[in-house]
Amino acid sequence: AQSVAQPEDQVNVAEGNPLTVKCTYSVSGNPYLFWYVQYPNRGLQFLLKYITGDNLVKGSYGFEAEFNKSQTSFHLKKPSALVSDSALYFCAVRDNTNAGKSTFGDGTTLTVKP
Amino acid sequence: DAGITQSPRHKVTETGTPVTLRCHQTENHRYMYWYRQDPGHGLRLIHYSYGVKDTDKGEVSDGYSVSRSKTEDFLLTLESATSSQTSVYFCAISENREASPLHFGNGTRLTVT
Repeated sequence: AQSVAQPEDQVNVAEGNPLTVKCTYSVSGNPYLFWYVQYPNRGLQFLLKYITGDNLVKGSYGFEAEFNKSQTSFHLKKPSALVSDSALYFCAVRDNTNAGKSTFGDGTTLTVKP
Repeated sequence: DAGITQSPRHKVTETGTPVTLRCHQTENHRYMYWYRQDPGHGLRLIHYSYGVKDTDKGEVSDGYSVSRSKTEDFLLTLESATSSQTSVYFCAISENREASPLHFGNGTRLTVT
């Protein structure tokens, strides 16, 4: 069975500083990894994905993520945080062999302070 | 934004009553999913569909049923609502089962009293 862990419930950073939101995964076979963001009273929005290729993937709003196969990690990063980045972030792994079911981590609340 | 509409957006119901939530898409995507979101649990899959009349159970399917009679609609029914089913319910769609991301509706907040 596949699983995702987000070890930090909360991440606090100052505006302008770099941010990292951590994610580790467990899956048999090649991982299909995704990051989503959720703003209050809204559904999740897709940020970026890793399917194959370069280990550093770039996504929306200046976010990027680094895939590390040996550490089974897929950490979300941004070089300079904005107050507007404050939201709930979810890492997910997709099972492409079984109707594309996605398993989500419990989420990390990012707070960026001015 | 992907064309996904969930209805109703909010509902309060009493224990023991049946409840049906609707997800409607205009993207003609094959795959549709129902998740529930609870604090400390992230999103958990209830049921999913991989085509018209093709559905299967997710990890938390007890007490729920689904139907998909046409591509655009995926209905989630709570057969006899319980307080443990108080949650926010999200529908998601996907073009394929591999590289396409999920696109989510804005959710239905259900309270069972």
